[in-house]
Amino acid sequence: KQEVTQIPAALSVPEGENLVLNCSFTDSAIYNLQWFRQDPGKGLTSLLLIQSSQREQTSGRLNASLDKSSGRSTLYIAASQPGDSATYLCAPSGSGGYQKVTFGIGTKLQVIP
Amino acid sequence: SQTIHQWPATLVQPVGSPLSLECTVEGTSNPNLYWYRQAAGRGLQLLFYSVGIGQISSEVPQNLSASRPQDRQFILSSKKLLLSDSGFYLCAWSQGDGPQHFGDGTRLSIL
Repeated sequence: KQEVTQIPAALSVPEGENLVLNCSFTDSAIYNLQWFRQDPGKGLTSLLLIQSSQREQTSGRLNASLDKSSGRSTLYIAASQPGDSATYLCAPSGSGGYQKVTFGIGTKLQVIP
Repeated sequence: SQTIHQWPATLVQPVGSPLSLECTVEGTSNPNLYWYRQAAGRGLQLLFYSVGIGQISSEVPQNLSASRPQDRQFILSSKKLLLSDSGFYLCAWSQGDGPQHFGDGTRLSIL
């Protein structure tokens, strides 16, 4: 059974800082891994998807890396902004037509102006 | 572009009452559809998934059921709600092995 751990559970940083969110998973036989953000009381927004054959993906100020063999992924946020404040969720998926995804509890990020 | 709609946004129901939550997807055909529940302080739990009309798989035994009467419609139901059914319910879709896309969720409170 896949288990996902995200560290830290909460993070507060001043605006403009670069930061790293960490995710570890127990079963390295994954098909891909997604990073999501969730605003309070809202659904999830997909940020990045990394295929198991890839090492990293970039979108704007976001960069996600994947080390499948060690069961780790990191989300790097450059030049953080108050609008980045949200909970960030890591979600590795197993193979299969229905793409079974396991979610971590997330890292709650607060960017202080 | 593809969109996903969930309703209602919030719902307060008494114990023992029935439940029906609806989710529809637009702009894509034959999507994979999912129902998740998010409890406070816990990760999202997959409840049901569907790869086609009338095809429903359950991940956990529970008081809930799901149906897919049309290609882009997914319904979560219960005949009698329990207090433990309270939570934030999220519908999602994906195409093949692509990313999952989520609706805005339904906040369900059981009294």
